[in-house]
Order: sequence, then C-alpha cells, then structure tokens
Amino acid sequence: AQRVTQPEKLLSVFKGAPVELKCNYSYSGSPELFWYVQYSRQRLQLLLRHISRESIKGFTADLNKGETSFHLKKPFAQEEDSAMYYCAPGEKLTFGTGTRLTIIP
Amino acid sequence: NAGVTQTPKFRILKIGQSMTLQCAQDMNHNYMYWYRQDPGMGLKLIYYSVGAGITDKGEVPNGYNVSRSTTEDFPLRLELAAPSQTSVYFCASSLLHRAINEKLFFGSGTQLSVL
Repeated sequence: AQRVTQPEKLLSVFKGAPVELKCNYSYSGSPELFWYVQYSRQRLQLLLRHISRESIKGFTADLNKGETSFHLKKPFAQEEDSAMYYCAPGEKLTFGTGTRLTIIP
Repeated sequence: NAGVTQTPKFRILKIGQSMTLQCAQDMNHNYMYWYRQDPGMGLKLIYYSVGAGITDKGEVPNGYNVSRSTTEDFPLRLELAAPSQTSVYFCASSLLHRAINEKLFFGSGTQLSVL
C-alpha cells in the first residue's frame, strides 16, 4: 500500500540548532509529497510541497528517491517553529501520523 | 473570505445520541473531505465528495453519513454516537482533487467527546 511513515512522534530541539523531521514513503515511482503544519490553536495548513521546490519559513524538503525519504529540514530552529508537522502523499487522501516539534528556548 | 467554517467547535454527546457536524466553504471548491484525528494519531479520512450530489467512503466511514446537496456545504452525521467516535474532526476542501497533488484548506476542527 502507498503510505508515508513519520518515525518520530515527538522531537525536541534547542533554539538555533538544526531541525530534521523525518518522512519515509513506501511506494515507487515519482511521488509528490507535502508537508502540513498545525501551530497551537491554529488550523492545519500547507507548509510546502515537493513539486514547488520552495523554502517556506526557512524550511526545505528534498525528495531522496534512493532512500525513499522526504525529510523536512531547517538549519536554525526558532521558537515559533513549535508545532505539529504532518507528511502527506499527494496521490492519496491520507496523512502521516505526525511529529510534534518542540523548540527549547 | 471565511475559507472553511466548521461548527460547533466543541460538543459532548451521550452514547447513542446523534448529531451533525457542519462544514461550509466559500471558495467554490468542488472537493471536500472529512477527517478525524485521534489523540497521538494522524488524520484518517472518513468521507469525501467530488461535487454536489457525489460522495464516497474514505478509510474509516463506519458510524458516519454525509451528504452534499450544495457545493458549499458538506455535513457529517453521527447517528448513534459511540465512545470510539471521541476525536477531533476536521473538514477540508480543495479546488482540484487531492489525488492530483492539490493543496487542502482546513477548517478549525470540532472536538467531540462521547461519554
């Protein structure tokens, strides 16, 4: 079955340290993947998508076909990055289980 | 524009009661979705609709019903509430089908407890 896996439910990082949120996918071909984010007391919203190759709020995500991964990265974490992050495949109407990122001041 | 509006924000039900979660969007999106999010879990698709009059089951449809009489509204009905339906419910919409890599717009969610 086509699905994504987010192996970390919780991730704590110190402010200013690099952040990497892992997402692995289990299907072949050229998947299109998204990252969604939910900040405290806000609705779920799109952060970035692979097809756009964009950097949003300092975050980037590169599709690594060899490792079947789409990890979300940011070189220097900020306190406002604390949120719940979901990886989602474009072709399927599903989401990963999410990673709660906490930035330690 | 309001985007996707969900009501109510919170609700407590007794076992066996019924209720309807309302969802409306003002973006003229054809595609609408209902998800549930259990504590510590990801979002699971309950039902979706590709246009007025057309609905289809998602991953976890049992215990729920939907209708889509207009483009704007996509209510979710719980007929006989059970404790297993305690969850946060999210409605979403998209201009094009999610399955072709389209961005979803989400409502703020409804927190439902069944006691």
